[in-house]
Amino acid sequence: GQSLEQPSEVTAVEGAIVQINCTYQTSGFYGLSWYQQHDGGAPTFLSYNGLDGLEETGRFSSFLSRSDSYGYLLLQELQMKDSASYFCAVRDRNAGNMLTFGGGTRLMVKP
Amino acid sequence: GAVVSQHPSRVICKSGTSVKIECRSLDFQATTMFWYRQFPKKSLMLMATSNEGSKATYEQGVEKDKFLINHASLTLSTLTVTSAHPEDSSFYICSAIAGESYEQYFGPGTRLTVT
Repeated sequence: GQSLEQPSEVTAVEGAIVQINCTYQTSGFYGLSWYQQHDGGAPTFLSYNGLDGLEETGRFSSFLSRSDSYGYLLLQELQMKDSASYFCAVRDRNAGNMLTFGGGTRLMVKP
Repeated sequence: GAVVSQHPSRVICKSGTSVKIECRSLDFQATTMFWYRQFPKKSLMLMATSNEGSKATYEQGVEKDKFLINHASLTLSTLTVTSAHPEDSSFYICSAIAGESYEQYFGPGTRLTVT
């Protein structure tokens, strides 16, 4: 099976940088995705890493190290609207196209 | 980006009744759709994987006779919660992918409350 670990809560102030780590265990790793979910809303796709390295999309970046089974999501220039839950999710080639989600990290951005 | 819709967005039903939730991919053909369940402040738990024209694959612990899934076309999958009970109250979210894409597009979710 697959399992993912990420911190349950992170608090930061506006304008700061925050990193949300994710470690995973899976037999046929195919890629690591990140999703954002605001309370009461659906998850929205943020980024995907299939290979090692950093992917940058505006204020958000995501990093993957397959040898360490580790990735992170980096959020820069935090804004109040970034307060949400962030989920890492792993795709396993032995499990078709399904995603297994981590428990989620609740980010609270304070003024 | 691709759009997935769900209907209804909220539903309240009495215990013992059945509820159908629809998931539609609006601007692409979804070869695979997924149904998730999410409790407050918890992660998404995959319930089943649905491929067009074939039987859904249910995750361990999910009762297939209680959660009926039909994927009759490449743009529509339905989840029917049969004989609903209060413990079935939850946020149900569908997602869809096109072909071998790694990106899942999520619907807005359906909040089910069983009284």
